[in-house]
Amino acid sequence: GAVVSQHPSWVICKSGTSVKIECRSLDFQATTMFWYRQFPKQSLMLMATSNEGSKATYEQGVEKDKFLINHASLTLSTLTVTSAHPEDSSFYICSASQVGVRETQYFGPGTRLLVL
Amino acid sequence: AQSVAQPEDQVNVAEGNPLTVKCTYSVSGNPYLFWYVQYPNRGLQFLLKYITGDNLVKGSYGFEAEFNKSQTSFHLKKPSALVSDSALYFCAVRDMVSGGYNKLIFGAGTRLAVHP
Repeated sequence: GAVVSQHPSWVICKSGTSVKIECRSLDFQATTMFWYRQFPKQSLMLMATSNEGSKATYEQGVEKDKFLINHASLTLSTLTVTSAHPEDSSFYICSASQVGVRETQYFGPGTRLLVL
Repeated sequence: AQSVAQPEDQVNVAEGNPLTVKCTYSVSGNPYLFWYVQYPNRGLQFLLKYITGDNLVKGSYGFEAEFNKSQTSFHLKKPSALVSDSALYFCAVRDMVSGGYNKLIFGAGTRLAVHP
């Protein structure tokens, strides 16, 4: 149980284009979903937190107009990297916490983004 | 502010020997503590958590962790290491924020290398 999927697992795009990453909780309803960014050999950096049906809360220093987050249902959140640039290349990981078990986050497999 | 420290960048252990991955924390109030494992190019897998109760917490894949309040530590342990345990391990603490959702603060990670 508590499986989280992400799609796509890999994406390569040209500079200036937008990329959408999906995060789904497959076998549970997620109260809250989180988006992280991880640089090579580094820890996870929380980018934003989203609750279903409300606006995302962004961490300090994260541009909300660049990283658009939509949490349309209790099982789906999307992260759109708008006008991507090479410095946006990274490993993006989502997580979800289950309704009623809010303290534990279950993580997706991650999406590697390469912007050329 | 809540924080966790993983003092070792890397831990090396021979297969069959016991392993310990260290974590210390700093929190206000009662700590909610977690261990996650990350395999290459993958998301994080939940291993175990401490919320309350017994100080020795048992988790997935034969791992356990001991909560020590006086030493503010939550070290991860396994009696007999396997080569397949080689991965990146993250300790995390819950940071409760306004709005009631649970934000995790991660340590820098410790790379575990188990040698045959």
